[in-house]
Parts: sequence; structure tokens; C-alpha cells
Amino acid sequence: GQNIDQPTEMTATEGAIVQINCTYQTSGFNGLFWYQQHAGEAPTFLSYNVLDGLEEKGRFSSFLSRSKGYSYLLLKELQMKDSASYLCAVRDADYKLSFGAGTTVTVRA
Amino acid sequence: IAGITQAPTSQILAAGRRMTLRCTQDMRHNAMYWYRQDLGLGLRLIHYSNTAGTTGKGEVPDGYSVSRANTDDFPLTLASAVPSQTSVYFCASSDSLGGADTQYFGPGTRLTVL
Repeated sequence: GQNIDQPTEMTATEGAIVQINCTYQTSGFNGLFWYQQHAGEAPTFLSYNVLDGLEEKGRFSSFLSRSKGYSYLLLKELQMKDSASYLCAVRDADYKLSFGAGTTVTVRA
Repeated sequence: IAGITQAPTSQILAAGRRMTLRCTQDMRHNAMYWYRQDLGLGLRLIHYSNTAGTTGKGEVPDGYSVSRANTDDFPLTLASAVPSQTSVYFCASSDSLGGADTQYFGPGTRLTVL
């Protein structure tokens, strides 16, 4: 199985940068995903990492270190609409996703 | 409109009643999944289906059953609901199992069991 840890809450100011860390212990690794979930809505895909390194997508970047069981999601130039929960998910050798409990990010003016 | 639909949007159910949550996707995705989301616990996999005609158990399958008679539909049944099954249920689908293929989620069903 998987053990996935991420902080419960983070607060940042509009225009700033926030980094959400995720650590995992897995019996088999087949990729790491980040999802965004606004309150009362479904999760939506943000990023995917399977190799070590940084993946950049506009204001969002995601980093993976497989040897350390570590990933982070970097949100730059924060906007009010970025207030949401961010879910770290690890795909195992059987191609099933296990999710962390999520990090609620609040962006303040 | 392409995507995943779920029904009902919300439901209040008496304990002991039988309930089926419906999920339909029109993307012709092979794999489909049912999750429950509870505060502080994140999304947990209940059952999954890698392709039509096959199903498998996830992390929390007890009290739930599924069927996959065709590609598009993946209903979740609670045979005899209990209060601990109060949760938000999300259905998801993906085109394939590996690579960068992500899971797409339906809008969710909020279920309250009294």
C-alpha cells in the first residue's frame, strides 16, 4: 500500500509563491499526480511526474525525487482563484491511485 | 457534452435501505473507478474496473458492490446502507492504465445515511 503525507493547510498572499510538499512510501511506484479540487467540486488534473526532475506548466510546476519519495507542487503568482485543495496521488504497480488527504491553500488579498 | 455524469447529485437515505449510485461516461474510457471522500482522509478507492466485464476491489470495498456490463456505465450499489457510508462519492475514468493518462472525475454524489 501507500502512505502519503502532505500538510493540511497553507496560507499565502496574492502574487506570492507557495510550495506544497508531498512525501510517500510505496510498495510500487508508477507515477505521481497532482490534482486541484475547489470546494464542492470534483478534482481536476494538474500535473504528472514519473521521472525525477521538474515539470513546468505555466504558473504551476511539479518536482519529483523517486529516491527520496518526495514531490512538491509549486504555485507561482498566486491568484484568488487558486484557493483550493491540492491532492497528491501516487500510482502503484497495479495502476491504482492512492491519494493524500489534501492541502487546503487559502490565498489572501 | 463529453465527460462523466453521476446521479443523484445528493441523497438522504435511511439506514438499511438499498441504494445505487449511477455513473456514466461518454469518452469510451476503458477504466472506471469509485472513490469516497471523507474529511481528513482524502479520496479512497472503493472498487475499480480496468475494462468492461471486469471489476476489482479497492481499499474500502466492504458494503459496496459494482458491475461493468458495458464501457459507459459503472453503477455502485450499497446493499444495506449504514451511517458510516455517509460521504461524497466520486466516479472517475481513464483511457488507459499507465503513462500520463490521468483520471477524470465526475461531479460527485453527496450521500447522507441516517
